[in-house]
Formats: sequence, C-alpha cells, structure tokens
Amino acid sequence: AQRVTQPEKLLSVFKGAPVELKCNYSYSGSPELFWYVQYSRQRLQLLLRHISRESIKGFTADLNKGETSFHLKKPFAQEEDSAMYYCALSGRLSSNTGKLIFGQGTTLQVKP
Amino acid sequence: GAVVSQHPSRVICKSGTSVKIECRSLDFQATTMFWYRQFPKQSLMLMATSNEGSKATYEQGVEKDKFLINHASLTLSTLTVTSAHPEDSSFYICSARRTENTEAFFGQGTRLTVV
Repeated sequence: AQRVTQPEKLLSVFKGAPVELKCNYSYSGSPELFWYVQYSRQRLQLLLRHISRESIKGFTADLNKGETSFHLKKPFAQEEDSAMYYCALSGRLSSNTGKLIFGQGTTLQVKP
Repeated sequence: GAVVSQHPSRVICKSGTSVKIECRSLDFQATTMFWYRQFPKQSLMLMATSNEGSKATYEQGVEKDKFLINHASLTLSTLTVTSAHPEDSSFYICSARRTENTEAFFGQGTRLTVV
C-alpha cells in the first residue's frame, strides 16, 4: 500500500532551536519524495524534493531508503517557519508522477 | 513559479444543486491537472487526474458521476459537483503541471459549503 505517515500533528519549538519533522513512507517501487509547506492563508507550495538535494530556507531532507524515511530538518528554527508542512510521495513511473500522496501534515509552531 | 488559479474561492450552494469549480493555469500550459479534497484538519486526498482532451482517471472510491471533471484545454480543468449534499462540503484544491516529471503547482483552493 502507498502511504505517507507524519506522526506529529503539532511540533512546537522555540526560535533558534533545531527542528525535525518526521515522515515515513510505504511504497512498492522507487518513489520521489517531497516536502510542501502551507503558510497561513496561502496556497500549498513546494519546499523541496529529494532528487534535487537542495537546501531551501535552511531546510534539508535526506531520503533514507532503509528506514523509508524523509525527515525534514532545520538547525535553527525561525518564527517565519511557522506553517503547516506536508510530506508527499509520487511514483517514478510517468503515469504516476505529479500524482501526489500526502501525509497528514504537521503544524510547526516556532515561538519567540 | 507558475500560477494556478481556482474560481470561485468560496461557494455556498443548496442541497441538490450542482456547482462548478474552475482551475486555470495562468502562465503555462498544463498537460495534466489534479483534483484534491481536503477535510478540516486532515490531509489532501487525490480525487482524480485530468489529462487534456481525455477522460479523467478517478481514484478508488471517488464517484465519477458525482464529481465530473472536464479538461477541455491546456489551461483549464473544471470540477462539477453534481447534486451536492452537505457531506460534499469540503475544501477542493487543484494542481497543474506542464509535463511529466515537472513540478506541480497548486491553486488556492475552493471552499464548498452545501446547505
């Protein structure tokens, strides 16, 4: 079964603290993993994808195939990072790319 | 990034009526558009994949006669909720991508309330 699991509904940290938003997946094949972010009253937007291996706004995520995880990390959280974060998965087959399976989402709250 | 626009942003309709939601890619041609549904405080659930000029592919459990999808052009897909009922009240979100293996961009969503 294809599934994305984000175990934490809410993660609350203080400004400057490290952040790790957890994501585990289940997929029979070779998936592509993404993190999307939704700031208050804004649309969903792509934060990063595992194949590009970039760091966006200080966030990084490494695909761990052994643990089937794609945790999102940032060493020092900022207040403007407060948002809803969704982990998502897409198949590598052309018929499945762009078709995203989302996790439940984690609200990140960064306190001053 | 590319812009995807949904219209309307909010709609209230009476039970039994139909309502149409538009999804437009404003500055690019979208070969594929996707329709998602989001319940309060829950994740996005893919409803269907819409390819220009062909029939939409619906996910398991989604009624195709209930949720009519038309992708008439490379910049427009529509979702029509037919004979709406209060349980159809939800947040509907579309996304669009240019080609395979390119990023999908999301619309701002449409809040549907059926009374």
